Amino acid sequence: GAGVSQTPSNKVTEKGKYVELRCDPISGHTALYWYRQSLGQGPEFLIYFQGTGAADDSGLPNDRFFAVRPEGSVSTLKIQRTERGDSAVYLCASSLRDGSDEQFFGPGTRLTVL
Amino acid sequence: DAKTTQPPSMDCAEGRAANLPCNHSTISGNEYVYWYRQIHSQGPQYIIHGLKNNETNEMASLIITEDRKSSTLILPHATLRDTAVYYCIVRGDNAGNMLTFGGGTRLMVKP
Repeated sequence: GAGVSQTPSNKVTEKGKYVELRCDPISGHTALYWYRQSLGQGPEFLIYFQGTGAADDSGLPNDRFFAVRPEGSVSTLKIQRTERGDSAVYLCASSLRDGSDEQFFGPGTRLTVL
Repeated sequence: DAKTTQPPSMDCAEGRAANLPCNHSTISGNEYVYWYRQIHSQGPQYIIHGLKNNETNEMASLIITEDRKSSTLILPHATLRDTAVYYCIVRGDNAGNMLTFGGGTRLMVKP
């Protein structure tokens, strides 16, 4: 079956611009996670959704970052006034339910801020 | 969640068993040990998890010491496609717990 998909696969933008990154989770998965991975490091948690609501956004680095999941399926990560330090691979994962054993990851979106 | 310590890199010959160690000396009684791996340019992939008993699936075996302060992931017959970064993660069984990744072990399987 279809896995987690993320679009675009690559995004190049200029400092100060606004970007949106999309995640399509596995159908039926109620939990959705966003992570960010800098070069040479492990992924870092950003935000977790259970259904439509953000159950834990403690990993968002500042108020330039925001994410939504209005219908409990697709999620969009939004970054305002991008900075060069935002350059990273943004990973999305979904799991069947709260505290589920396995998170299924998408391939990520590589964001480059010039 | 408890912190984990892994060697930064390891080599393994193709066809041999790869044994990846992980220390988690501060693990709590309700925390599980999870292993994920990340092949270059892909998202992490779940391998296996356990609480205190040894576990085996089609990908690997997980051996957890009796005191639960360390564990070993075993890939019984490593192939070149097993070259990846392997992450050992300790995770509580609470609703919505995120995965806290460390630096992982970069396993290089050589022909």
